[in-house]
Amino acid sequence: GQSLEQPSEVTAVEGAIVQINCTYQTSGFYGLSWYQQHDGGAPTFLSYNALDGLEETGRFSSFLSRSDSYGYLLLQELQMKDSASYFCAVLSGSARQLTFGSGTQLTVLP
Amino acid sequence: EAGVVQSPRYKIIEKKQPVAFWCNPISGHNTLYWYRQNLGQGPELLIRYENEEAVDDSQLPKDRFSAERLKGVDSTLKIQPAELGDSAVYLCASSTPGLAENTGELFFGEGSRLTVL
Repeated sequence: GQSLEQPSEVTAVEGAIVQINCTYQTSGFYGLSWYQQHDGGAPTFLSYNALDGLEETGRFSSFLSRSDSYGYLLLQELQMKDSASYFCAVLSGSARQLTFGSGTQLTVLP
Repeated sequence: EAGVVQSPRYKIIEKKQPVAFWCNPISGHNTLYWYRQNLGQGPELLIRYENEEAVDDSQLPKDRFSAERLKGVDSTLKIQPAELGDSAVYLCASSTPGLAENTGELFFGEGSRLTVL
């Protein structure tokens, strides 16, 4: 089977840096995606890592270590609007199916 | 460009009643997904379509759930009869095969929130 683990909650202050970790167990791994979801809103795609290393997109960066089955999402210069749930998701299997973690609720305090 | 459109946004029904959700994907997206999201959890795949063909319905509870995508565009997800445990947000997503399989990028609608009393 597949399993993903990420912290349920993270709190940080405006302007700070926060890292959301994700560990996974799966077979046929292709890559790790990250999604953001505001309360009552649609999940929106943030990033994808297929290879080891850091991918940077503006204030957000995502990291993957395939050997450690581990990744993280790094959010810099936090803003109030970054308060949301963040989901890691593995792309895996012959069907290249996307399986989501339970999500991390990020609260940004003023 | 319009995003994924779902309706209704909210639905409250009593248990044992039927309910249906509708989804119109982004134009040109051949792949369509239905996910269920329970409170405080991540989305869980129910069914995936490539055009009008259901290519992965292994996680769809077929005793009470059904889905169709007759013309390969919009889709309907039905529950009959609904149970208390079906209360959740039903999310529709679309993508192109290349995009989904190579980057895991799906485009989600805002979902249909179902409450079963």
